[in-house]
Amino acid sequence: AQSVTQLDSHVSVSEGTPVLLRCNYSSSYSPSLFWYVQHPNKGLQLLLKYTSAATLVKGINGFEAEFKKSETSFHLTKPSAHMSDAAEYFCVVSDRSSASKIIFGSGTRLSIRP
Amino acid sequence: GAVVSQHPSRVICKSGTSVKIECRSLDFQATTMFWYRQFPKQSLMLMATSNEGSKATYEQGVEKDKFLINHASLTLSTLTVTSAHPEDSSFYICSALAGGPTDTQYFGPGTRLTVL
Repeated sequence: AQSVTQLDSHVSVSEGTPVLLRCNYSSSYSPSLFWYVQHPNKGLQLLLKYTSAATLVKGINGFEAEFKKSETSFHLTKPSAHMSDAAEYFCVVSDRSSASKIIFGSGTRLSIRP
Repeated sequence: GAVVSQHPSRVICKSGTSVKIECRSLDFQATTMFWYRQFPKQSLMLMATSNEGSKATYEQGVEKDKFLINHASLTLSTLTVTSAHPEDSSFYICSALAGGPTDTQYFGPGTRLTVL
C-alpha cells in the first residue's frame, strides 16, 4: 500500500527567505515521487519528479527535492521565495511500475509575505 | 511538450441538463487518461481511468451512469455529467499519461462546473 503525508497544511514565509515543504511517504514498492503546484483555479503543473536516478532532483522555478529513503521523505525546498510562488503544492507518490495509480498528499498552501 | 488542454474552462448550467468536458493531449498520444474532481481547499479525488478504445474504470463510489467517459482517440477523452445537480458543482481536472506506464501524468488546466 502507498500513502503520502504532507506535514504542514499551510506554510508562510517572507519573500527572499528559504522555503521548506515537507512530505513523507509510505510505499511497498520502489516509488516514483512528484511535486506539483496548483495556482488558484488552475490545473496542476509538474515541478519535479524522482524515479530512480539522482536522489537530489532539480525542478523548475528554482525548486528542488531530495529523496531520502532512510527517512522516507521527499521534502521540497527553494533557497529564496518569490511572491509568484504563492500556491498550493501537492506531493504525489506512485508505484514506479505503474503511473496509473497515484496517491496525492493533502496539499500545502504556501503564502509569501512581502 | 506534454501539454494537456481542457474545454471549456468554465461552464454554468441549469439543473437537469448535461455537460460535456473535453480533455486533449496536444503534442503526444495518451492511451490512458484520468479524470479527477477537486472540492474547494481539498486534494484531487480520482474518479475514473479512461483507456483508449475500451470502457473506463470507475473508482468506488463514482456513478458511471452519472459521469459518462469516452476515450475515442489517443488524444481525446470526454467526461459528460448527465442530469447535473448543484452537488455536481466542482472543479474537474483531467490528466494524461505520456509514454509508457512508468511515465508521468500531465494535468489539464481544469474545468469549473457550476450547476444552478
